[in-house]
Amino acid sequence: AQSVTQPDIHITVSEGASLELRCNYSYGATPYLFWYVQSPGQGLQLLLKYFSGDTLVQGIKGFEAEFKRSQSSFNLRKPSVHWSDAAEYFCAASASTGNQFYFGTGTSLTVIP
Amino acid sequence: SAVISQKPSRDICQRGTSLTIQCQVDSQVTMMFWYRQQPGQSLTLIATANQGSEATYESGFVIDKFPISRPNLTFSTLTVSNMSPEDSSIYLCSVPNTGLPEAFFGQGTRLTVV
Repeated sequence: AQSVTQPDIHITVSEGASLELRCNYSYGATPYLFWYVQSPGQGLQLLLKYFSGDTLVQGIKGFEAEFKRSQSSFNLRKPSVHWSDAAEYFCAASASTGNQFYFGTGTSLTVIP
Repeated sequence: SAVISQKPSRDICQRGTSLTIQCQVDSQVTMMFWYRQQPGQSLTLIATANQGSEATYESGFVIDKFPISRPNLTFSTLTVSNMSPEDSSIYLCSVPNTGLPEAFFGQGTRLTVV
């Protein structure tokens, strides 16, 4: 069965520090992979996506993610975190265009001064 | 990109009552998805709503509890029926980006049942 796992429920980082949020997937084939961010009281905003090709993808707000097929992972990174990055981050996967999404349980990010 | 408007943004309801959530998209889409996000948890797909046909429900969700309407290609409603406190969640509608695997999400409806 398809599944997406985010091992870290909550992460706290200092402003200016680097960030890595982990995501692992279990799919029959390589799915389409996404990272979404949900700020308090807001909907989901797409940060970046991986369909194929270059395994390092760039997104908005200075985020990037690397797809590693051998590890079934799609970890999200940012070199220097800003206080405004505090939010809930969801990794998601989809088997094909127009198909449903499978979401991880989310990682809550706290940024301390 | 699609702009999705959900109403209401939040509501507090008495147990045993029903609430209908509206989702309006600024473009025509074939498929719309309804998700539930329970407190502290991830998003779970409730059903897929296609215009002109019955909605397809995921395991654990039934039409009597979550009836869905899809009268045209830009609009859908989800009703949460006979509510109990366990139904307190954020409900989100979603539409795929035409021709691409990504999806757009509404801002959600935060429902509290008391």
